[in-house]
Amino acid sequence: NAGVTQTPKFRVLKTGQSMTLLCAQDMNHEYMYWYRQDPGMGLRLIHYSVGEGTTAKGEVPDGYNVSRLKKQNFLLGLESAAPSQTSVYFCASSGATARPDTQYFGPGTRLTVL
Amino acid sequence: GNSVTQMEGPVTLSEEAFLTINCTYTATGYPSLFWYVQYPGEGLQLLLKATKADDKGSNKGFEATYRKETTSFHLEKGSVQVSDSAVYFCALGSYGNNRLAFGKGNQVVVIP
Repeated sequence: NAGVTQTPKFRVLKTGQSMTLLCAQDMNHEYMYWYRQDPGMGLRLIHYSVGEGTTAKGEVPDGYNVSRLKKQNFLLGLESAAPSQTSVYFCASSGATARPDTQYFGPGTRLTVL
Repeated sequence: GNSVTQMEGPVTLSEEAFLTINCTYTATGYPSLFWYVQYPGEGLQLLLKATKADDKGSNKGFEATYRKETTSFHLEKGSVQVSDSAVYFCALGSYGNNRLAFGKGNQVVVIP
């Protein structure tokens, strides 16, 4: 049982390049989330999904797109990377319960945009 | 909307000292409250949680009590160890909404 995994662990991009971050979970969770973590800012929600085929905007969605084609996977895309997107990205998943459930986090992807 | 406020700045203390990290919240209804911990180079993991007023969450010697009257969920540990050095995040979620609002986190450094 691997929990939540993220690939890649590290990536360096040049301004304007594109990339996709992959998140996978093996807990059969309905909900999945993408956050970014920046010094002094805590965690900010980028996009989330409440089930296969659904996506929704979070707090800071601009410059990112997401897809949830399979229940276990949640992809985060950067179409044209900017230095402001240099950050550590975390994926998380949780069960679908009426009361807020524990979110399980992946190990993170450290992205640098030059 | 929902929000969480954590005390400003890192916390540095000696091994076996008493640790308190303050967390206050603003929310509608009856939220659930969480403390997450992030060890160096890792993702966040749940430390403890409480789902209703006066509940006490506890784990690994850490405790926090859900105080509705003061809208607080302060984290405490009686005797910290070097291995407790980490970043601690307070978080809140509302009934019917699985999105969590996180505080900005507190870096805790325990010196031998």
